[in-house]
Amino acid sequence: AQSVTQLGSHVSVSEGALVLLRCNYSSSVPPYLFWYVQYPNQGLQLLLKYTSAATLVKGINGFEAEFKKSETSFHLTKPSAHMSDAAEYFCAVSDLTDKLIFGTGTRLQVFP
Amino acid sequence: GAGVSQSPSNKVTEKGKDVELRCDPISGHTALYWYRQRLGQGLEFLIYFQGNSAPDKSGLPSDRFSAERTGESVSTLTIQRTQQEDSAVYLCASSQRTSGRTDTQYFGPGTRLTVL
Repeated sequence: AQSVTQLGSHVSVSEGALVLLRCNYSSSVPPYLFWYVQYPNQGLQLLLKYTSAATLVKGINGFEAEFKKSETSFHLTKPSAHMSDAAEYFCAVSDLTDKLIFGTGTRLQVFP
Repeated sequence: GAGVSQSPSNKVTEKGKDVELRCDPISGHTALYWYRQRLGQGLEFLIYFQGNSAPDKSGLPSDRFSAERTGESVSTLTIQRTQQEDSAVYLCASSQRTSGRTDTQYFGPGTRLTVL
């Protein structure tokens, strides 16, 4: 079975600081992993996805994530936070039937 | 229509009433998914359509929940005899289903259901 754990339901950073959002997965088959962002009162938008082509994945808005099999992790990072990055971030793994199994989300706050 | 659309955007109903939620996927997307997002929780899978068949209904929480899809178009999620625990945001997503597990799912804005 597939599952995802997101450590930290809330993360706060100062504008310009490093953003690190943690995601660990469990999967009985080679995992395919996704990060989605949800802005207030909006649907989810794909930030990036890992499909086994490359372990370092670059996404939109300056975000990237590194797949580390040995650590079963897929942490999301951005070198310099912007106020507009404030949102909720979800990590997900795709199931054998293609549905997404989501983590509980991390709310990112960015302070000026 | 560039994206997935859902209607209504908000629905307030009384306990025991039936509700219907609608999803219009992106044109040409054969796969359609329904998820539920309860306050403070992640998204829970409800049901998956490939065309108008539903190969995975494993997430439907009870027999009060049902869904149908017309061809590769509109889907309706119906909740009968609503309960307060049904209050949530119901999200619909669609994908082209070209490679399966790596396909990007595109999400609609959701329907916020409140059961009084």
